[in-house]
This record gives sequence, structure tokens and C-alpha cells, in this order.
Amino acid sequence: DAGITQSPRHKVTETGTPVTLRCHQTENHRYMYWYRQDPGHGLRLIHYSYGVKDTDKGEVSDGYSVSRSKTEDFLLTLESATSSQTSVYFCAISEMRTGDGYTFGSGTRLTVV
Amino acid sequence: EDKVVQSPLSLVVHEGDTVTLNCSYEVTNFRSLLWYKQEKKAPTFLFMLTSSGIEKKSGRLSSILDKKELFSILNITATQTGDSAIYLCAVVKETSGSRLTFGEGTQLTVNP
Repeated sequence: DAGITQSPRHKVTETGTPVTLRCHQTENHRYMYWYRQDPGHGLRLIHYSYGVKDTDKGEVSDGYSVSRSKTEDFLLTLESATSSQTSVYFCAISEMRTGDGYTFGSGTRLTVV
Repeated sequence: EDKVVQSPLSLVVHEGDTVTLNCSYEVTNFRSLLWYKQEKKAPTFLFMLTSSGIEKKSGRLSSILDKKELFSILNITATQTGDSAIYLCAVVKETSGSRLTFGEGTQLTVNP
């Protein structure tokens, strides 16, 4: 979807290195989310944001941090990447508090070796 | 602990078949249930259901929610190869804002 872009699309990194994934939106939506998708688990929420500088943890937040200094950008940082963080990461945006109207980015495939 | 369970986990059918995908949930303070279709990349929205017994329809796809028995079904009639995808079910709670809790997904493969 043109209103939300993730970068990079693919990344291979070594265990122990820091990694930052970027989500950029042009829709001016209030809510932004980071999910990870793994076989056997579906999509699981890592962190989310409900406004600039307002963030909170999801169900699998250990080892991850986020920042939102501008409405349009939501960054996900792996402080010290581990092999268990190999996954596909999706960013999503939403304007509605009710859960509908989600738009997902195209995903970042991260491999930690 | 909140749970969203989808079945079957995978399904292979022939073009023209009708399929029914299931989603059951155990969550406190349920608000709504959503269905998404995921092909190679990002999930795309199909339906949002909040009321029991009211069918939502879009072309060959339809879905209904049963809030008493805590489940939803997604029906696809006259399947086509383009329906091959992962179908995801997610729930929203009254107390969780707009956060979604997803099921594992059903991988549907439609063969010619």
C-alpha cells in the first residue's frame, strides 16, 4: 500500500548486532504497530504507538524497543539481535480505535545468523 | 489468557469447491472479530464482525459471527486459484484499544 512503507525489505545480520527497522506512513494516522509473523504463531504484537512519543508494549516486547518522534515514523530496534528474532516484521497503521481500518506494510524479512 | 484458534491450519481444494474456515476465540471484553487475506505480502482486510447472526458478504466471500458460541466462519464459494492465500482471523477487545490478537491462520490452496 502506497500509504505505508517499511525499510529495509530484507536484512541479514549477525547475532549481537543492533538492528533498526523503519516504518513510514503518509496517512497521518494516529496508531502505529509492529507485529512479527512466525510459522505456528500467526502475527504477534511487539509494540504499538498511540501518538508521538506515546508507545506501549505488546505481547512479545522483550528484546525490542521503539521510538516515535514524528507522526509519520515508527522505528523498531533490536538492541542485540538473536537468532530467535529471525522473522517477518510487519508494520501497521490505523486511525480508528475500534480495530478496523488497519493497513499493513509489505513486511521486512530479517534473518539473524 | 486470550486465545484465537483457527481451523483447519491448511486446506487443499479444487477450483469450484466451497470452503468453510473456522475461527474460535476465548477473550474477555470482546468487541469485534476481523478477517484478513494474506497472499505473498501484507494482510488485506476482508470483514469486521461485531454483531451475532448478521452475515457480511463480498462477492463469493461471506462471514458470520456467533457471540454465544464464540466463533466465526468464513465461507468462500466457487473457489478460484486466486483465492489461494493465508486467511487470518483477529479479535479486538474493548479494553485493548485497537490492538489485534491474531489466530495462527489457515493456509488455503486452490488447485486448477
